[in-house]
Amino acid sequence: GEDVEQSLFLSVREGDSSVINCTYTDSSSTYLYWYKQEPGAGLQLLTYIFSNMDMKQDQRLTVLLNKKDKHLSLRIADTQTGDSAIYFCAEDPTNKLIFGTGTLLAVQP
Amino acid sequence: SQTIHQWPATLVQPVGSPLSLECTVEGTSNPNLYWYRQAAGRGLQLLFYSIGIDQISSEVPQNLSASRPQDRQFILSSKKLLLSDSGFYLCAWSEENLNYGYTFGSGTRLTVV
Repeated sequence: GEDVEQSLFLSVREGDSSVINCTYTDSSSTYLYWYKQEPGAGLQLLTYIFSNMDMKQDQRLTVLLNKKDKHLSLRIADTQTGDSAIYFCAEDPTNKLIFGTGTLLAVQP
Repeated sequence: SQTIHQWPATLVQPVGSPLSLECTVEGTSNPNLYWYRQAAGRGLQLLFYSIGIDQISSEVPQNLSASRPQDRQFILSSKKLLLSDSGFYLCAWSEENLNYGYTFGSGTRLTVV
């Protein structure tokens, strides 16, 4: 079945690292994605990882994939107030994106 | 470059009135097109997707319908809105192989009163 789960809320201090976690159920996804949604806006693709990779780094973002445990994480280094948003992970088992519930990241100055 | 346009940005409609939300994509041909709804509480629910003209799939039974009159135009409609249709509607497009994920429109905030 298709089910993607995330914790609902994460609060960090500015300058700290943020780690947002996600678990998914369908191992047939070719790619796994992280999207960012700022208040009242559409979703912005942050990064994605091919399913046969363990890690991908893109500037302040690091994606880790544990296929055995079906666990995906997004690490944001040196978190800034502008990183405050809802972060969605997503899988694509059937050529359609299935989104998690989203994690609200609150960055305290 | 490709762009996606979605309008209107906000809409307040009475119960029982019709609905038409429009989404167009520029700079690509034969895109996959999607309509999502984001209700209060944040989750994104896939409503419809289309891999071509006259090829529209519905993901959940509901009060809404979708049409694709042109290759790069996707319309979400309802004949009679319900209170439960309120939400944030997002249109998205993708290439066939999804390598680069979806690109989303800016969304329409629909409030049914």
